[in-house]
Amino acid sequence: GAVVSQHPSRVICKSGTSVKIECRSLDFQATTMFWYRQFPKQSLMLMATSNEGSKATYEQGVEKDKFLINHASLTLSTLTVTSAHPEDSSFYICSATRGETQYFGPGTRLLVL
Amino acid sequence: QKEVEQNSGPLSVPEGAIASLNCTYSDRVSQSFFWYRQYSGKSPELIMSIYSNGDKEDGRFTAQLNKASQYVSLLIRDSQPSDSATYLCAVTPGDSWGKLQFGAGTQVVVTP
Repeated sequence: GAVVSQHPSRVICKSGTSVKIECRSLDFQATTMFWYRQFPKQSLMLMATSNEGSKATYEQGVEKDKFLINHASLTLSTLTVTSAHPEDSSFYICSATRGETQYFGPGTRLLVL
Repeated sequence: QKEVEQNSGPLSVPEGAIASLNCTYSDRVSQSFFWYRQYSGKSPELIMSIYSNGDKEDGRFTAQLNKASQYVSLLIRDSQPSDSATYLCAVTPGDSWGKLQFGAGTQVVVTP
């Protein structure tokens, strides 16, 4: 199979703090990982493409200084939400690519108080 | 603008019946097509991928692709209450290898 994990699964933080989310491909190497955000009853919204060893590519409207992405190895990408605010509360989902197929992690639910 | 369109539903299906989900896409050079299932509050999970015209079967699921009509569908046979979920059609645009363009999803409700 193609297993992708995310940690943490759920996080509550105070406004102004930073939160790091990890995405790991457990049984395969992923040169490319993607980060999505999903608000309730809405579809997935691609935030950025994370490539191992290079800078992430952000979608239009996504602030690269607020959502820091690091893809340090072929099995790990991290998303850091800096200076989080209540409007950043959402379901963050990563995916890892094997061939042309994206396999999704279980997601991280972020609540900013 | 490249689009992937699905009926939002909900599609109500009696238990044991066939659920038929449709998806159209606008990018003619798209090569890869996927169906994902997403339960409420969970992340998407891959059901099927299809790359060539025709049918592809996997258990109770059959994906159908018609590139000339820019149409991909998913049939769920012998629908079960556990099939109740939102089904996302995803397409790899011709100019963005690896990226997926998602439809808004079709909610399926299987009634006992």
